[in-house]
Parts: sequence; structure tokens; C-alpha cells
Amino acid sequence: ETGVTQTPRHLVMGMTNKKSLKCEQHLGHNAMYWYKQSAKKPLELMFVYNFKEQTENNSVPSRFSPECPNSSHLFLHLHTLQPEDSALYLCASSQDLDNSYNEQFFGPGTRLTVL
Amino acid sequence: AQSVTQLDSHVSVSEGTPVLLRCNYSSSYSPSLFWYVQHPNKGLQLLLKYTSAATLVKGINGFEAEFKKSETSFHLTKPSAHMSDAAEYFCVVSDLGTGGFKTIFGAGTRLFVKA
Repeated sequence: ETGVTQTPRHLVMGMTNKKSLKCEQHLGHNAMYWYKQSAKKPLELMFVYNFKEQTENNSVPSRFSPECPNSSHLFLHLHTLQPEDSALYLCASSQDLDNSYNEQFFGPGTRLTVL
Repeated sequence: AQSVTQLDSHVSVSEGTPVLLRCNYSSSYSPSLFWYVQHPNKGLQLLLKYTSAATLVKGINGFEAEFKKSETSFHLTKPSAHMSDAAEYFCVVSDLGTGGFKTIFGAGTRLFVKA
């Protein structure tokens, strides 16, 4: 196990639902990330948080809303999603963003299906 | 600006034969380079990383990679493939960009291992 947990592991939701993805890291890291991984597309970085502050938002639609209440927890709130949002959502953490050699530790992902 | 190119989207080898997954990068500074592996429906796991020490880096599961600055390459190799090596592999560059350190993922190479 990597020390990064994600819940739920699988989620099926309708386009009018509101749901949240949760990520928790037990590694004492200060940076956390959300990625979207769709079939046959490169890994897409969505959001980056460092010491609870959002440092990167890669033009993600507002129907995805991140929340980082502390350095150990990261949420992704979902509402009025589209079928094309179906993907594997991966959470990762790293020590911080202060140097280039800190590797990221990934959770197992949440497989999201939007009907 | 940083970029990373994985030269093959798919590689197929027979069990017991060598594995070569190719990666080229561009970087304005001294990058750190990583290889991650992702098994189906799992998160990414670090295989190895280069951080300006020895140019030949050994990782887990018998994999290694050589940093060649003159060729801007960081190819991943393994002398003898095992069925359990079948997975997707990502080459990653981390470097100082505008606004701080950035991590760029390659598009991935899917490795198939035939019995």
C-alpha cells in the first residue's frame, strides 16, 4: 500500500447528482494532487494544493470543485457532471513543491461512471 | 519548457526476453526523471528516479534506466520480462518552470508480455 487512500473506489452517478471523492494521505506530505485518467488519453493534472493552498488549476470546469481542509485530506466535489467526465480519478501526494526530486505517491483511484 | 515523449504507445515482448521502453525529454534546467508503473485499475507506483547522482539508476522488480544527457533520453530496460510486468509505464520529468517546479507525465507505454 502506498499510504494514500481514496474512497469510494467505484462510483456511478447520474448527471444531476452531487457526490464527493475523498483522498487521505498518511505520509506527512504537504502537497496533494488530483488527476483525471481517461481511456486512451494522457494523464491530466487537474488541481494542485501545497500547504492547503491551491497552486494550480488546469482550466478545470466548475462542475469539479476541490477542497483541501488540511495537508492530509483532499476532496473533489462533483455536481452536474457529463458522461465524458467518466474516468479514473487519481489522487497523489508529495513532500512539497520546493524541488524537482520529490516523487509523487498515488492512491488506487476512484473509477467514476456518469450515466 | 519541459516536455516528455514516450516513443512507443505499445510494446510487446515474449516472456524471458529483454524490455526496452523509450523516453526522450526536453528541459531548460537540470531535471529529475522518473518512471512509474500502473497495473490495471490501480494507481501509479514509482519504479525508479534520477536526481543528478549516478546516471544508471536501478529500480524495483529488476528495472533500470540510464540518463543520457547528450541524447536527452531516459530509457527503461529490464533484461528478462516476466508476465507480471504487463502494465502501463509512464516516463515523467520534473523541472523548474515558470511559476515553480512542474511535473510533466508522458503519454504512457503499454507493455504486453507473451507467454
